[in-house]
Amino acid sequence: EAGVAQSPRYKIIEKRQSVAFWCNPISGHATLYWYQQILGQGPKLLIQFQNNGVVDDSQLPKDRFSAERLKGVDSTLKIQPAKLEDSAVYLCASSPRGGGLNTGELFFGEGSRLTVL
Amino acid sequence: GENVEQHPSTLSVQEGDSAVIKCTYSDSASNYFPWYKQELGKRPQLIIDIRSNVGEKKDQRIAVTLNKTAKHFSLHITETQPEDSAVYFCAARGAQKLVFGQGTRLTINP
Repeated sequence: EAGVAQSPRYKIIEKRQSVAFWCNPISGHATLYWYQQILGQGPKLLIQFQNNGVVDDSQLPKDRFSAERLKGVDSTLKIQPAKLEDSAVYLCASSPRGGGLNTGELFFGEGSRLTVL
Repeated sequence: GENVEQHPSTLSVQEGDSAVIKCTYSDSASNYFPWYKQELGKRPQLIIDIRSNVGEKKDQRIAVTLNKTAKHFSLHITETQPEDSAVYFCAARGAQKLVFGQGTRLTINP
């Protein structure tokens, strides 16, 4: 089966510019996650969607980050304006189910590496 | 919220020896504990997981143990091979959120 698709793979921008990342989860997966992985650290959850509803966005810097999952399939993560500390790999993941006792494996995409100069 | 601590941050072992990575978690309600392997420049991939109703799980050369009372769990890799070199992340799921540890860079020396 096709995996989680992300684009672009690499993006270099200057601070205060904007950037958008796109994710297409595995077909049929209801739950979609965006994680931020700073070099040398573990992935940090930014936002979790269940279908097209937000389950958790407690660690999303809402003054500059936004995300949407229209129609419960593809998702876009936007950063505007970018700061130097936003340099990281943005990982999208999906799972067939999520939440509560319905634990399930997360399938990650290859990630989008952002460099902010 | 959940907090996961992982140790050590780096680990170097001789090929054929065993490697152990340990994690502690804070939320006693956490019920799912996966381990992911991430090779350089690649995506994290699940290698083994354990649920809170089980104390140990094995899959060939890898095993995970869980101590719910102490709130810690460990990854054990036996007979290590060069292809085991990677960064390993533990994680714990409390409520609906999966929280990752900081990662352990494992190097297998020939």
